Amino acid sequence: DAGVIQSPRHEVTEMGQEVTLRCKPISGHDYLFWYRQTMMRGLELLIYFNNNVPIDDSGMPEDRFSAKMPNASFSTLKIQPSEPRDSAVYFCASSRLGDGELFFGEGSRLTVL
Amino acid sequence: GQQLNQSPQSMFIQEGEDVSMNCTSSSIFNTWLWYKQEPGEGPVLLIALYKAGELTSNGRLTAQFGITRKDSFLNISASIPSDVGIYFCAGQLYGQNFVFGPGTRLSVLP
Repeated sequence: DAGVIQSPRHEVTEMGQEVTLRCKPISGHDYLFWYRQTMMRGLELLIYFNNNVPIDDSGMPEDRFSAKMPNASFSTLKIQPSEPRDSAVYFCASSRLGDGELFFGEGSRLTVL
Repeated sequence: GQQLNQSPQSMFIQEGEDVSMNCTSSSIFNTWLWYKQEPGEGPVLLIALYKAGELTSNGRLTAQFGITRKDSFLNISASIPSDVGIYFCAGQLYGQNFVFGPGTRLSVLP
């Protein structure tokens, strides 16, 4: 079975540019999570969806960040405009309702110059 | 908010030694998960625990769900070089967010 698929794996961009990260969760999973990982702050939850509906976006840093899940097999995390402090690894993860097991993608490493 | 503490923060051990690490919380959880992350990769699920007192093994790894539901332990027996990585615990209340610990960084010396 395919795991959680994220793209791009690496992105280098300049400050002020728009960044879009993409995620395809595991088929049949009801929950999708976006995390950000940095050395200083570890794994931070940004937002999560249940059945394509955003449930908790309190971790989204500010209005520059937005996330959508137009259907059960696709989600995007967008940063506009990007800033150097947004540099981090962004992970998407999915789980099945009641299962309790959370599976991560390989991450998107973002560098904002 | 909920927080998880992991100890030790890091450890250096000799190949062949056993490893113990733990995770504690001020809140109770229904599920405890243990992950391993290697450089440049996403966290990989090692063991999932669903019941207080549960003891589960996966090869050389053994994890336990604490009786109080506020802690969990991970043991690795006979460590090998490929065990190197960061080990994260995570707790979840049913249907809610997963809360992650800061990780234990394991180094295995040959």
